[in-house]
Amino acid sequence: GAGVSQSPSNKVTEKGKDVELRCDPISGHTALYWYRQSLGQGLEFLIYFQGNSAPDKSGLPSDRFSAERTGGSVSTLTIQRTQQEDSAVYLCASSLGRGLSNQPQHFGDGTRLSIL
Amino acid sequence: DAKTTQPNSMESNEEEPVHLPCNHSTISGTDYIHWYRQLPSQGPEYVIHGLTSNVNNRMASLAIAEDRKSSTLILHRATLRDAAVYYCILRISNFGNEKLTFGTGTRLTIIP
Repeated sequence: GAGVSQSPSNKVTEKGKDVELRCDPISGHTALYWYRQSLGQGLEFLIYFQGNSAPDKSGLPSDRFSAERTGGSVSTLTIQRTQQEDSAVYLCASSLGRGLSNQPQHFGDGTRLSIL
Repeated sequence: DAKTTQPNSMESNEEEPVHLPCNHSTISGTDYIHWYRQLPSQGPEYVIHGLTSNVNNRMASLAIAEDRKSSTLILHRATLRDAAVYYCILRISNFGNEKLTFGTGTRLTIIP
């Protein structure tokens, strides 16, 4: 079956521009996560969506970062006024969700974002 | 969150078993032990998880110490495709945010 799909796979943009990254989770997965991975670093949690609950935004590094999840499915991560330190691979994951303890998370292959 | 400690890197010969250790001395009774791996240029991939008993699946086996303060991921017969960074992660079983907290993992190199 289809896995988690992310687009674009690569994005190069100039400093100061806004970018939108898209994530299509696995059908039926109610939990969705965004992480980022800077060069040579581990994964850093950004934001978590579960069903219709308010998202957990505790990992967002600044107010330039925001995310939405429409209709409980597709999610968009938006970075406004990009800075060079935003360069990283942005990874999306989905799982069957809350109340189902320890369901594995299924990751996409990420969007590699480069800020010039 | 309880922490895990893994060696930075390991090497193994192709077609031989690999034992990847993880220490988690501050683990609590409700923490599950999860393993993920990340192949080059890909997102992480779930491998296996367990609580107290040893676990087997098609990818690997997980051996958990009796006191749960350490565990070992076992790849029974390594192939070149198993070259990856392996992450040992503790997850609390609750109804909150089930985010994964990744450490630096173990970079496994397979020697042909």
